Amino acid sequence: GEDVEQSLFLSVREGDSSVINCTYTDSSSTYLYWYKQEPGAGLQLLTYIFSNMDMKQDQRLTVLLNKKDKHLSLRIADTQTGDSAIYFCAESTSSNTGKLIFGQGTTLQVKP
Amino acid sequence: DTGVSQNPRHKITKRGQNVTFRCDPISEHNRLYWYRQTLGQGPEFLTYFQNEAQLEKSRLLSDRFSAERPKGSFSTLEIQRTEQGDSAMYLCASSVPGMNTEAFFGQGTRLTVV
Repeated sequence: GEDVEQSLFLSVREGDSSVINCTYTDSSSTYLYWYKQEPGAGLQLLTYIFSNMDMKQDQRLTVLLNKKDKHLSLRIADTQTGDSAIYFCAESTSSNTGKLIFGQGTTLQVKP
Repeated sequence: DTGVSQNPRHKITKRGQNVTFRCDPISEHNRLYWYRQTLGQGPEFLTYFQNEAQLEKSRLLSDRFSAERPKGSFSTLEIQRTEQGDSAMYLCASSVPGMNTEAFFGQGTRLTVV
């Protein structure tokens, strides 16, 4: 079945790098996503990676994909207090519906 | 366009009552999704529309839940005979078709059943 797992909590100091990890089970996933959710706000797409890539960089964000181990990570460089939020990993299912399977979310706490 | 709009933002209802939520997607987005998010969890897929056709329903969507998108634009999600376990954030998202198109999420409707 389809399942996505994440660690629940990460605390870092402002200016440090943050690394949020995710594992998934559906080997036929075509795209993997990182979403950010701030209190009282909807989900915001941060970045995504196609399953035939192993790395994608977008400004302070670096996504690494290990397809063999079904492991995805999001690195945030120079973490700021405004990065404090819940981060969700999600996979697109093998069907072409755009349906997403989300992890339970990682709460990132950035201390000044 | 201001994005995906959901109403109401908050709803408190007594157990056993019926509730209806509305989602207005981004115009020209013909895909529309409903998700449910409980505290401390990620969103869980409930159902999906392409235009007015409801193409997929999760087994989470019991007989008490019904969703419609009559004209292929806005959608409604109705819960009949609400139970305390229905308390959650109900999220709507919309997108254009394709293998990888961004799903834009609304801010959600928070339902509390007392």
